[in-house]
Amino acid sequence: NAGVMQNPRHLVRRRGQEARLRCSPMKGHSHVYWYRQLPEEGLKFMVYLQKENIIDESGMPKERFSAEFPKEGPSILRIQQVVRGDSAAYFCASSLRTSGANEQFFGPGTRLTVL
Amino acid sequence: DAKTTQPTSMDCAEGRAANLPCNHSTISGNEYVYWYRQIHSQGPQYIIHGLKNNETNEMASLIITEDRKSSTLILPHATLRDTAVYYCIVSPPTDSGGSNYKLTFGKGTLLTVNP
Repeated sequence: NAGVMQNPRHLVRRRGQEARLRCSPMKGHSHVYWYRQLPEEGLKFMVYLQKENIIDESGMPKERFSAEFPKEGPSILRIQQVVRGDSAAYFCASSLRTSGANEQFFGPGTRLTVL
Repeated sequence: DAKTTQPTSMDCAEGRAANLPCNHSTISGNEYVYWYRQIHSQGPQYIIHGLKNNETNEMASLIITEDRKSSTLILPHATLRDTAVYYCIVSPPTDSGGSNYKLTFGKGTLLTVNP
């Protein structure tokens, strides 16, 4: 059973370009979470999605950032007009989220570098 | 979510048990205790979780005090590959409403396993 997959693992963009980060959840998981880890800082929640729905995007910057989790295909975190401050590791997690405990399983992350 | 307090760093000799403490004195009755770890540059790895009873799996054991105000993660035979930052997180169950799906990562404990 494959774990959470993320690609690309490393992404380099110049200021003003767009970055697209992809996440395929574990098989059977329909809940996806994105977290960001700035250099030398802890992970911070960005957004929570279920299939075709954004449940909570309170941790995501209101401008330039968007996320989706379509009915078919991976979840996408999109950053438009990237700036140097967007350089970070972006981690996706997935869960079954039925009831009770909510173990989230993380992918290897995408390391975004903005030049 | 309840706040957790962990030591900044700990050392352990290879082959010995590593006991990582966590204080969560404001934990609510229905909140779970989760442990994750992050090996350098990798995605967080789920280790174990518990509610009231002690738990054990193939990776570790979790001991929760009777008053639930603190817990200890035990790695029975630490190896060099266990060197990582260990995070203790407290979070309510998925069906308790609110933003209970967010994992709040603190600074964790840097465990260094020495040869």
